[in-house]
Amino acid sequence: GQNIDQPTEMTATEGAIVQINCTYQTSGFNGLFWYQQHAGEAPTFLSYNVLDGLEEKGRFSSFLSRSKGYSYLLLKELQMKDSASYLCAAFRGGNTPLVFGKGTRLSVIA
Amino acid sequence: GAVVSQHPSWVICKSGTSVKIECRSLDFQATTMFWYRQFPKQSLMLMATSNEGSKATYEQGVEKDKFLINHASLTLSTLTVTSAHPEDSSFYICSAREIEDTGGDHLTYGYTFGSGTRLTVV
Repeated sequence: GQNIDQPTEMTATEGAIVQINCTYQTSGFNGLFWYQQHAGEAPTFLSYNVLDGLEEKGRFSSFLSRSKGYSYLLLKELQMKDSASYLCAAFRGGNTPLVFGKGTRLSVIA
Repeated sequence: GAVVSQHPSWVICKSGTSVKIECRSLDFQATTMFWYRQFPKQSLMLMATSNEGSKATYEQGVEKDKFLINHASLTLSTLTVTSAHPEDSSFYICSAREIEDTGGDHLTYGYTFGSGTRLTVV
């Protein structure tokens, strides 16, 4: 079966750092995607981790531990525009569809 | 980069009518197209996987006779919601994967999303 868990909602203050966790259990695993989605819009790509470790890309970083089935997305210097849903998705290889978590709604407050 | 054009962006229809949603891969060939549905404040739920030239594979609980998928070419897949009812009101998004990952395009790894269609059935 496929199971991806992430917190439903989080709130953080503008300028702060927030970490969104994701745990996964999937039949077959090649890598882990993170997407950002604003209400009423399609998801936009943030990161893709294949190997263990931290990948940094500007204000956003993503971490993966394959042995623990765990990933997190780290957002630094939060801005109001970062208020959105963040989706964790597992890639199982080949031409299979991504398996999405339920998404974490992040609210950035002043 | 790869682009998937999805139309219409939004549509309002009367209960009992049918609505067709199109997804076109503009600069690449997509042998496989994935169709998702998303209800408010929920994540993307996979409805079906369509492969060019063959029948779509539907996820459990998705009525294949109600959600007709056609993938007649490598650049076009359509989803038709037949006899739509208010409970079908949702955000529908397609996603396509390139046959070959573009060289050095590590960013998307071949998964590209359409812009989504907001369907409201009244």
